[in-house]
Amino acid sequence: GAVVSQHPSRVICKSGTSVKIECRSLDFQATTMFWYRQFPKKSLMLMATSNEGSKATYEQGVEKDKFLINHASLTLSTLTVTSAHPEDSSFYICSADPRGGGSSYGYTFGSGTRLTVV
Amino acid sequence: QKEVEQNSGPLSVPEGAIASLNCTYSDRGSQSFFWYRQYSGKSPELIMFIYSNGDKEDGRFTAQLNKASQYVSLLIRDSQPSDSATYLCAVIRNTGGFKTIFGAGTRLFVKA
Repeated sequence: GAVVSQHPSRVICKSGTSVKIECRSLDFQATTMFWYRQFPKKSLMLMATSNEGSKATYEQGVEKDKFLINHASLTLSTLTVTSAHPEDSSFYICSADPRGGGSSYGYTFGSGTRLTVV
Repeated sequence: QKEVEQNSGPLSVPEGAIASLNCTYSDRGSQSFFWYRQYSGKSPELIMFIYSNGDKEDGRFTAQLNKASQYVSLLIRDSQPSDSATYLCAVIRNTGGFKTIFGAGTRLFVKA
């Protein structure tokens, strides 16, 4: 089945530093990937839609200069949290739709990244 | 009104019972409906998808869709403690372009 690999699974960083999270589709090409964040016991919040070869589409209220997204190939999207602060501590999850387009059998999610900013 | 609404729970059922999870959505033009399971500290995993009115069965899971009532449910038969998780309902909304909207999830506890 379709697999999305996400790394790292956990990261602790100091306040003010930047952290890069990678999301790879291992056995399919993903022209579009999605980035979510999730706070404890809360649902997924879509942050942005990552489009291969073009700029990401950010949801309202998400700072594009803080959460940099690069989708340089059909199998790799990265999310960089710049100048991280403790309030950025969260669970970040990427996903992709193996079918793509408007017909979907559902998303495949990466394993998530637990970011802790100290 | 939230686009996808679920009772947050927790829903507690005894082992072996049927767990019934419900979801309503607001966009009448929605076409595709999904149930995901999320264990604590893990990412969601797809359980089922349903497109047409009626029931769809897969093992112990049955998804039910009623587009007229804008209602989708998930039944888990012979519930097991390992089914204890948060279940997320998701809908692909067609209005304003295809976009997947997730509900807040229902926490299910299956008591041994």
